[in-house]
Amino acid sequence: AQSVTQLGSHVSVSEGALVLLRCNYSSSVPPYLFWYVQYPNQGLQLLLKYTSAATLVKGINGFEAEFKKSETSFHLTKPSAHMSDAAEYFCAVSEVGELSFGAGTTVTVRA
Amino acid sequence: NAGVMQNPRHLVRRRGQEARLRCSPMKGHSHVYWYRQLPEEGLKFMVYLQKENIIDESGMPKERFSAEFPKEGPSILRIQQVVRGDSAAYFCASSPRTGGSNTEAFFGQGTRLTVV
Repeated sequence: AQSVTQLGSHVSVSEGALVLLRCNYSSSVPPYLFWYVQYPNQGLQLLLKYTSAATLVKGINGFEAEFKKSETSFHLTKPSAHMSDAAEYFCAVSEVGELSFGAGTTVTVRA
Repeated sequence: NAGVMQNPRHLVRRRGQEARLRCSPMKGHSHVYWYRQLPEEGLKFMVYLQKENIIDESGMPKERFSAEFPKEGPSILRIQQVVRGDSAAYFCASSPRTGGSNTEAFFGQGTRLTVV
């Protein structure tokens, strides 16, 4: 079965600083990987997805992620954090449409 | 095009009552997935349905939980004889195609069930 592991349950960054959220996957076949964001008391919104077309994937709100097969990683980055980026972020892998999520990383942004 | 609609947004039930959670997928979507988010835990897959068919219910508890997606109307997640441990946020997601692995799932805003 495919799975993902998110390293770090909490990340705190200063406004304007780099945001880096780590995700490693385990899969015996080329994976389909996703990053979702969840704001308090809201549903999940797709940030970006990897479907093997390109290793560097650009998403919404200035986020991007790079697929590295050699490291089995799909880390999420944003060059400059904004206060509105405070939320919980989930990495997920899809198998026949069913998503397996990481435990999530909560991002707080300091003014 | 309205998004995935879940209702109610908040549901309070006493122990032993039944909870019925509804999910209307996006227009044109025929695949529905239910997930549960327990406090301090991540999101866990529960069940995958297509119209009138349960495709995969491997994530569903064996007792008290059931799901359906009838030909007409919303998908229903039913929890009978609720217990405090059922308190969680339940999310529904829908997708437009064959449920393939590269298909984006659109999520509803969830139903937050509280059992008192």
